[in-house]
Amino acid sequence: AQSVTQPDIHITVSEGASLELRCNYSYGATPYLFWYVQSPGQGLQLLLKYFSGDTLVQGIKGFEAEFKRSQSSFNLRKPSVHWSDAAEYFCAVGEGTGGFKTIFGAGTRLFVKA
Amino acid sequence: DADVTQTPRNRITKTGKRIMLECSQTKGHDRMYWYRQDPGLGLRLIYYSFDVKDINKGEISDGYSVSRQAQAKFSLSLESAIPNQTALYFCATSDPGTSVYNEQFFGPGTRLTVL
Repeated sequence: AQSVTQPDIHITVSEGASLELRCNYSYGATPYLFWYVQSPGQGLQLLLKYFSGDTLVQGIKGFEAEFKRSQSSFNLRKPSVHWSDAAEYFCAVGEGTGGFKTIFGAGTRLFVKA
Repeated sequence: DADVTQTPRNRITKTGKRIMLECSQTKGHDRMYWYRQDPGLGLRLIYYSFDVKDINKGEISDGYSVSRQAQAKFSLSLESAIPNQTALYFCATSDPGTSVYNEQFFGPGTRLTVL
């Protein structure tokens, strides 16, 4: 069965430091991959997505993610974290033709310290 | 105005009560979804609907029912609420006609507490 694993329940980084959030997926075919962010009291917002092509994808708010098929990973990165990046981050994989259902990971909560 | 709205935003109820959560969207999308979010479990799909006449169970549909009153409205009901249905509930929409990636657009969530 398809699954998404986010190994880190929470991560704390200093403002201005770099960030990498890990995501591993299990899916037989070429996956549709997503990263969403959930700010406190808000719904989820799409940061970036990957289906094919360049394995390094750029998203909003300065985030990027790299698809590595050999490692079944889709890690999210940001070179310099801002205090406003504190939120919960969800990796997700779309399944089915056209990705009509989305399987979400358990999420990683990011804390940013001054 | 928000594209996907949910009412109420917060609700406290008692065991055994019937509860309805409502979702409306102005995005014109055919596909709508209901998820629940629990700490450490991420989002789990309760029901999804591809159009007004097409409703499907998700992975955790027991204890829930839905109604798709129109393209823009998708309601979730708990016929007899129980405490383990305490969670944050999200409605989402998508339109594969414009995005093969099935990007989903989420409402702000409804926090439901069952005492």
